[in-house]
Amino acid sequence: EVQLVESGGVVVQPGGSLRLSCAASGFTFDDYNMHWVRQAPGQGLEWVSGITWDGSSADYADSVKGRFTISRDNSEDSVYLQMSSLRTEDTAFYYCAKARRVGATFDYWGQGTLVTVSS
Amino acid sequence: EIVLTQSPGTLSLSPGERATLSCKASQSIGSRYLAWYQQKRGQPPRLLIYGASSRATGIPDRFSGSGSVTEFTLSISRLEPEDSAVYYCQHYYGSPPYTFGQGTKLEIK
Repeated sequence: EVQLVESGGVVVQPGGSLRLSCAASGFTFDDYNMHWVRQAPGQGLEWVSGITWDGSSADYADSVKGRFTISRDNSEDSVYLQMSSLRTEDTAFYYCAKARRVGATFDYWGQGTLVTVSS
Repeated sequence: EIVLTQSPGTLSLSPGERATLSCKASQSIGSRYLAWYQQKRGQPPRLLIYGASSRATGIPDRFSGSGSVTEFTLSISRLEPEDSAVYYCQHYYGSPPYTFGQGTKLEIK
């Protein structure tokens, strides 16, 4: 059974930093690209970032470019999102998502971790 | 950035009826680079359709997708109370960002 478990969500002040983690199991982790998608409370979905299966390439939404960094450790079956210069508008549930083999569609999602940016 | 516009915002139907949800792209995304997700309250999204018309694993054939270029449709036949959810479309054409539509809320009364 595929499982994605996010952790690291907390309350942080504007300008602060945070690292989210996503532990994967139930599939061959280093065969698949991985992504982060966020959802502000009561709002829609926003793709945040994605990383290739080998970590060689990453992409970001314009809203987080230069502030967030995605990475992965295939020996630990984990993907990470390093967040810095946090803003109140970054407040959201952050979901880790596994991409299908072809195309950036997300066939498995974690339960999400809540990041609250507030003073 | 490709913008996806979903309509209607809210759809209220009765069990057994058919739902038709629309997703329009601000530019061509070809014939296959569109996915649909279902999100129930308090849960993460679930992939329903990829490639505009292919059902994901375990999705019943009551759910079907169609369309191409800029106009896409998700149809749900024989509605059940458990189909109450918010439905999102998402494109994955070309380079990121892989944007989502704003969602359609489906209510089954």
